[in-house]
Amino acid sequence: DAKTTQPNSMESNEEEPVHLPCNHSTISGTDYIHWYRQLPSQGPEYVIHGLTSNVNNRMASLAIAEDRKSSTLILHRATLRDAAVYYCILRDLRTRSQGNLIFGKGTKLSVKP
Amino acid sequence: EPEVTQTPSHQVTQMGQEVILRCVPISNHLYFYWYRQILGQKVEFLVSFYNNEISEKSEIFDDQFSVERPDGSNFTLKIRSTKLEDSAMYFCASSRGQRFSSETQYFGPGTRLLVL
Repeated sequence: DAKTTQPNSMESNEEEPVHLPCNHSTISGTDYIHWYRQLPSQGPEYVIHGLTSNVNNRMASLAIAEDRKSSTLILHRATLRDAAVYYCILRDLRTRSQGNLIFGKGTKLSVKP
Repeated sequence: EPEVTQTPSHQVTQMGQEVILRCVPISNHLYFYWYRQILGQKVEFLVSFYNNEISEKSEIFDDQFSVERPDGSNFTLKIRSTKLEDSAMYFCASSRGQRFSSETQYFGPGTRLLVL
Protein backbone atom coordinates (compact mmCIF):
# COMPACT_ATOMS: atom_id res chain seq x y z
CA ASP A 1 0.00 0.00 0.00
CA ALA A 2 1.24 3.48 -0.88
CA LYS A 3 2.50 5.77 1.85
CA THR A 4 0.52 8.65 3.35
CA THR A 5 1.68 11.72 5.26
CA GLN A 6 -0.43 13.46 7.88
CA PRO A 7 0.27 16.18 10.45
CA ASN A 8 0.95 14.75 13.89
CA SER A 9 -1.69 16.87 15.59
CA MET A 10 -4.35 19.50 15.01
CA GLU A 11 -6.60 21.57 17.22
CA SER A 12 -10.12 22.71 16.64
CA ASN A 13 -12.83 24.58 18.46
CA GLU A 14 -16.12 22.91 19.17
CA GLU A 15 -18.81 23.49 16.51
CA GLU A 16 -16.28 24.75 13.97
CA PRO A 17 -15.32 22.88 10.78
CA VAL A 18 -12.12 20.85 10.76
CA HIS A 19 -10.05 20.05 7.69
CA LEU A 20 -7.66 17.14 8.18
CA PRO A 21 -5.13 16.87 5.34
CA CYS A 22 -3.43 13.79 3.95
CA ASN A 23 -0.70 13.70 1.33
CA HIS A 24 -0.30 10.61 -0.82
CA SER A 25 1.92 11.74 -3.68
CA THR A 26 2.75 8.17 -4.76
CA ILE A 27 -0.88 7.06 -5.00
CA SER A 28 -1.65 4.76 -7.89
CA GLY A 29 -4.76 4.88 -10.04
CA THR A 30 -6.16 1.82 -8.30
CA ASP A 31 -5.76 3.02 -4.69
CA TYR A 32 -8.84 3.78 -2.64
CA ILE A 33 -8.45 6.46 0.05
CA HIS A 34 -9.83 5.33 3.40
CA TRP A 35 -10.19 7.25 6.64
CA TYR A 36 -10.53 5.61 10.03
CA ARG A 37 -10.44 7.18 13.45
CA GLN A 38 -9.63 5.92 16.90
CA LEU A 39 -11.35 7.48 19.87
CA PRO A 40 -9.46 7.29 23.19
CA SER A 41 -9.34 3.74 24.57
CA GLN A 42 -11.41 2.35 21.68
CA GLY A 43 -10.85 0.35 18.54
CA PRO A 44 -10.48 2.03 15.14
CA GLU A 45 -13.70 3.12 13.49
CA TYR A 46 -14.42 3.55 9.78
CA VAL A 47 -15.16 7.13 8.75
CA ILE A 48 -15.29 7.38 4.97
CA HIS A 49 -13.58 6.29 1.77
CA GLY A 50 -13.36 7.37 -1.85
CA LEU A 51 -11.58 6.79 -5.13
CA THR A 52 -11.78 9.91 -7.30
CA SER A 53 -14.89 11.91 -6.54
CA ASN A 54 -15.67 13.79 -3.34
CA VAL A 55 -17.78 11.78 -0.92
CA ASN A 56 -20.20 12.67 1.83
CA ASN A 57 -21.71 10.59 4.59
CA ARG A 58 -23.32 11.24 7.95
CA MET A 59 -19.96 11.48 9.68
CA ALA A 60 -17.82 13.52 7.34
CA SER A 61 -16.91 14.60 3.83
CA LEU A 62 -13.89 13.56 1.83
CA ALA A 63 -12.44 16.00 -0.66
CA ILE A 64 -10.00 14.44 -3.13
CA ALA A 65 -7.63 16.60 -5.15
CA GLU A 66 -7.96 16.39 -8.90
CA ASP A 67 -4.53 14.76 -9.23
CA ARG A 68 -5.38 12.49 -6.25
CA LYS A 69 -2.05 13.25 -4.61
CA SER A 70 -3.81 14.64 -1.56
CA SER A 71 -7.15 14.48 0.20
CA THR A 72 -8.89 16.24 3.05
CA LEU A 73 -11.26 14.83 5.61
CA ILE A 74 -13.81 17.46 6.58
CA LEU A 75 -15.75 17.41 9.82
CA HIS A 76 -18.38 20.07 9.30
CA ARG A 77 -19.01 20.84 12.96
CA ALA A 78 -16.53 19.37 15.38
CA THR A 79 -17.87 18.08 18.66
CA LEU A 80 -15.95 17.01 21.74
CA ARG A 81 -16.69 13.42 20.72
CA ASP A 82 -14.67 13.93 17.53
CA ALA A 83 -11.43 14.17 19.51
CA ALA A 84 -9.53 11.16 18.19
CA VAL A 85 -6.59 10.02 16.08
CA TYR A 86 -7.54 10.12 12.40
CA TYR A 87 -5.84 7.75 9.98
CA CYS A 88 -5.61 8.15 6.21
CA ILE A 89 -5.00 4.75 4.60
CA LEU A 90 -4.63 3.71 0.95
CA ARG A 91 -6.03 0.36 -0.26
CA ASP A 92 -5.23 -1.03 -3.69
CA LEU A 93 -8.27 -1.89 -5.83
CA ARG A 94 -6.31 -4.81 -7.18
CA THR A 95 -5.96 -6.42 -3.75
CA ARG A 96 -7.04 -9.98 -4.30
CA SER A 97 -7.43 -10.93 -0.68
CA GLN A 98 -9.17 -8.86 1.95
CA GLY A 99 -5.79 -7.72 3.14
CA ASN A 100 -4.87 -5.79 6.18
CA LEU A 101 -5.11 -2.10 6.99
CA ILE A 102 -1.73 -0.43 7.39
CA PHE A 103 -2.04 2.25 10.04
CA GLY A 104 0.39 5.13 10.26
CA LYS A 105 0.67 7.49 13.21
CA GLY A 106 -2.34 9.51 12.07
CA THR A 107 -3.38 12.99 13.16
CA LYS A 108 -4.39 13.52 16.75
CA LEU A 109 -7.31 15.93 16.74
CA SER A 110 -8.04 17.90 19.89
CA VAL A 111 -11.35 19.72 20.19
CA LYS A 112 -11.65 22.64 22.59
CA PRO A 113 -14.99 23.61 24.12
CA GLU B 1 -26.46 -1.78 14.83
CA PRO B 2 -24.41 -5.00 14.77
CA GLU B 3 -21.00 -4.78 16.38
CA VAL B 4 -17.89 -6.82 17.02
CA THR B 5 -17.54 -7.87 20.64
CA GLN B 6 -14.43 -9.03 22.48
CA THR B 7 -13.82 -10.79 25.79
CA PRO B 8 -12.28 -10.29 28.22
CA SER B 9 -11.85 -6.53 28.23
CA HIS B 10 -8.72 -6.91 30.37
CA GLN B 11 -6.44 -9.86 30.97
CA VAL B 12 -3.43 -10.09 33.26
CA THR B 13 -1.18 -13.11 32.92
CA GLN B 14 2.23 -14.35 33.95
CA MET B 15 5.02 -14.64 31.41
CA GLY B 16 5.04 -18.07 29.81
CA GLN B 17 1.34 -18.66 30.32
CA GLU B 18 -1.12 -19.30 27.50
CA VAL B 19 -3.89 -16.82 26.84
CA ILE B 20 -6.92 -17.00 24.60
CA LEU B 21 -8.58 -13.82 23.44
CA ARG B 22 -12.11 -14.16 22.19
CA CYS B 23 -14.06 -12.24 19.57
CA VAL B 24 -17.55 -12.47 18.17
CA PRO B 25 -17.51 -10.92 14.70
CA ILE B 26 -20.57 -9.45 13.03
CA SER B 27 -22.78 -12.37 12.10
CA ASN B 28 -22.88 -12.15 8.30
CA HIS B 29 -19.20 -11.25 7.93
CA LEU B 30 -16.82 -13.68 6.31
CA TYR B 31 -13.35 -12.13 6.91
CA PHE B 32 -11.84 -11.80 10.36
CA TYR B 33 -8.73 -10.04 11.58
CA TRP B 34 -6.56 -9.50 14.62
CA TYR B 35 -4.55 -6.33 15.16
CA ARG B 36 -2.58 -5.18 18.16
CA GLN B 37 -1.51 -1.83 19.54
CA ILE B 38 1.32 -1.55 22.00
CA LEU B 39 0.77 1.41 24.32
CA GLY B 40 1.61 4.66 22.55
CA GLN B 41 2.37 2.97 19.24
CA LYS B 42 0.65 2.30 15.92
CA VAL B 43 -2.07 -0.25 15.30
CA GLU B 44 -0.36 -3.29 13.75
CA PHE B 45 -1.87 -6.06 11.66
CA LEU B 46 -1.41 -9.60 12.94
CA VAL B 47 -3.52 -11.97 10.85
CA SER B 48 -6.54 -12.29 8.60
CA PHE B 49 -8.76 -15.36 8.37
CA TYR B 50 -11.22 -16.53 5.76
CA ASN B 51 -12.94 -19.80 5.02
CA ASN B 52 -11.39 -21.45 8.07
CA GLU B 53 -7.83 -20.66 7.17
CA ILE B 54 -5.30 -17.89 7.50
CA SER B 55 -5.28 -15.68 4.41
CA GLU B 56 -2.52 -13.28 5.45
CA LYS B 57 -0.24 -12.85 8.43
CA SER B 58 2.43 -10.40 9.48
CA GLU B 59 5.94 -11.01 10.77
CA ILE B 60 4.62 -10.50 14.29
CA PHE B 61 2.36 -13.54 13.95
CA ASP B 62 4.95 -16.22 14.69
CA ASP B 63 4.57 -19.78 15.94
CA GLN B 64 3.49 -18.55 19.37
CA PHE B 65 0.26 -17.26 17.88
CA SER B 66 -2.67 -19.19 16.47
CA VAL B 67 -6.22 -18.38 15.44
CA GLU B 68 -9.31 -20.49 15.34
CA ARG B 69 -12.97 -20.27 14.58
CA PRO B 70 -14.19 -23.03 16.88
CA ASP B 71 -17.87 -22.58 16.08
CA GLY B 72 -20.12 -20.44 13.92
CA SER B 73 -19.77 -17.32 16.01
CA ASN B 74 -16.44 -17.10 17.87
CA PHE B 75 -13.01 -16.19 16.55
CA THR B 76 -10.09 -16.67 18.91
CA LEU B 77 -6.46 -15.62 19.15
CA LYS B 78 -4.22 -17.86 21.24
CA ILE B 79 -0.78 -16.90 22.47
CA ARG B 80 0.92 -20.09 23.61
CA SER B 81 3.66 -18.76 25.84
CA THR B 82 3.30 -15.09 26.55
CA LYS B 83 6.25 -12.72 26.66
CA LEU B 84 6.50 -9.32 28.31
CA GLU B 85 6.47 -7.70 24.87
CA ASP B 86 3.06 -9.24 24.10
CA SER B 87 1.53 -6.69 26.44
CA ALA B 88 -0.75 -4.65 24.20
CA MET B 89 -4.31 -3.90 23.22
CA TYR B 90 -5.60 -6.59 20.87
CA PHE B 91 -8.34 -5.67 18.43
CA CYS B 92 -10.52 -8.05 16.50
CA ALA B 93 -12.15 -6.87 13.27
CA SER B 94 -14.44 -8.31 10.65
CA SER B 95 -15.63 -7.45 7.16
CA ARG B 96 -18.38 -8.70 4.89
CA GLY B 97 -16.04 -10.32 2.45
CA GLN B 98 -16.49 -8.57 -0.84
CA ARG B 99 -13.29 -8.77 -2.79
CA PHE B 100 -12.86 -5.04 -3.21
CA SER B 101 -10.50 -2.68 -1.47
CA SER B 102 -13.42 -0.41 -0.64
CA GLU B 103 -14.40 -2.97 1.97
CA THR B 104 -14.90 -1.57 5.48
CA GLN B 105 -13.48 -3.33 8.50
CA TYR B 106 -15.42 -3.15 11.77
CA PHE B 107 -13.36 -3.25 14.93
CA GLY B 108 -14.17 -4.49 18.39
CA PRO B 109 -13.41 -2.54 21.58
CA GLY B 110 -10.25 -4.53 22.25
CA THR B 111 -8.73 -6.69 24.96
CA ARG B 112 -5.99 -5.15 27.03
CA LEU B 113 -3.39 -7.82 27.75
CA LEU B 114 -0.79 -7.28 30.44
CA VAL B 115 2.00 -9.83 30.79
CA LEU B 116 3.89 -9.73 34.08
